[in-house]
Amino acid sequence: GDSVTQMEGPVTLSEEAFLTINCTYTATGYPSLFWYVQYPGEGLQLLLKATKADDKGSNKGFEATYRKETTSFHLEKGSVQVSDSAVYFCAPSSGAGSYQLTFGKGTKLSVIP
Amino acid sequence: ETGVTQSPTHLIKTRGQQVTLRCSSQSGHNTVSWYQQALGQGPQFIFQYYREEENGRGNFPPRFSGLQFPNYSSELNVNALELDDSALYLCASSLGLAGAFNEQFFGPGTRLTVL
Repeated sequence: GDSVTQMEGPVTLSEEAFLTINCTYTATGYPSLFWYVQYPGEGLQLLLKATKADDKGSNKGFEATYRKETTSFHLEKGSVQVSDSAVYFCAPSSGAGSYQLTFGKGTKLSVIP
Repeated sequence: ETGVTQSPTHLIKTRGQQVTLRCSSQSGHNTVSWYQQALGQGPQFIFQYYREEENGRGNFPPRFSGLQFPNYSSELNVNALELDDSALYLCASSLGLAGAFNEQFFGPGTRLTVL
């Protein structure tokens, strides 16, 4: 089945630092790729997505590029803010018709002023 | 537009009991997926319902079962509860089969504790 290897956390950064959270996956077929974010006390929210090779998903200053050759979808942000403190999940979506999401373990990010 | 809602928020049960969790999908959404999120882990796919039929199932035993109603709300039933069933149960709805172009919207979850 599908699987995701995500950078272990927790990650602590100072405000305005550069962020990278690594994600590699194995999946059958040609998955779509997603990053979800879970803010403290809130539900999962879609952060960004990419549906084909070399696509770049972006939202709220975050970016991730679908790299088929390395089966990776690393999340980056040039300058993090305290409000970015959350748990980030990488998730390919595949499966014959059901498009189930396979989540990584999550990476907890804490941004300090 | 109302988002995905789940009830109850929290639940405490004992081993061997049965539990029913409920989910109301976002207005107009006809697909519901259920996930189990153990503490410190990512969510794991349990199953998906599309137009009242099960449409895909993850690696969960048959004592995990579900229903989807004509209004597209859904229930997750777990029989013979085990300690390892303690987790946050998430419901997600989408318009059409979830996939690249049909975003899944998640509810806040139900926290189940099995003693």
